[in-house]
Amino acid sequence: EDQVTQSPEALRLQEGESSSLNCSYTVSGLRGLFWYRQDPGKGPEFLFTLYSAGEEKEKERLKATLTKKESFLHITAPKPEDSATYLCAVRNFNKFYFGSGTKLNVKP
Amino acid sequence: DAGVTQSPTHLIKTRGQHVTLRCSPISGHKSVSWYQQVLGQGPQFIFQYYEKEERGRGNFPDRFSARQFPNYSSELNVNALLLGDSALYLCASSIDRDTNYGYTFGSGTRLTVV
Repeated sequence: EDQVTQSPEALRLQEGESSSLNCSYTVSGLRGLFWYRQDPGKGPEFLFTLYSAGEEKEKERLKATLTKKESFLHITAPKPEDSATYLCAVRNFNKFYFGSGTKLNVKP
Repeated sequence: DAGVTQSPTHLIKTRGQHVTLRCSPISGHKSVSWYQQVLGQGPQFIFQYYEKEERGRGNFPDRFSARQFPNYSSELNVNALLLGDSALYLCASSIDRDTNYGYTFGSGTRLTVV
């Protein structure tokens, strides 16, 4: 069964304290792994797409990596404005599966 | 440039009623997808439409249906509403069928079934 599992469910960091979020997936025929950020009351905002193991993408303080079974979203020296729920999704041909997200809270 | 727009933003319906949600994609985007997001969970895929044809369907009952119009806007219809249909319904558009450049989501329609 195709599924996506994200951990941890919630993460509290101090400003400047780097950490990583995990996205484990089982899917037949991966056609892309996506990372999104979602703020309360808003739709998810696209961050990255990764397609093959070993691929990495960066945007400001965020870096996403991909292996055959999981993806990591590394957050370097986070700021309070990075507080949000981070969602991972995989595409299997013409279906998409989202994880439940990691709720990140960065304290000043 | 306008983003993905959804209407209405909030809606309250009674069990058994029918509802229609609307979505206008970003100009130039030909693919529209619909998602259901229950509080505390990730979005669940309902449908994808590309060039007015259904390209993907998630595990939702036949009470859920959708269509895409020649101007690429879309409607999601839900019949015989149940309490469990209460959720945030998100529309997402992309320029291509395979979402190689990612989705752009709207802010959603909050549906409450009482």
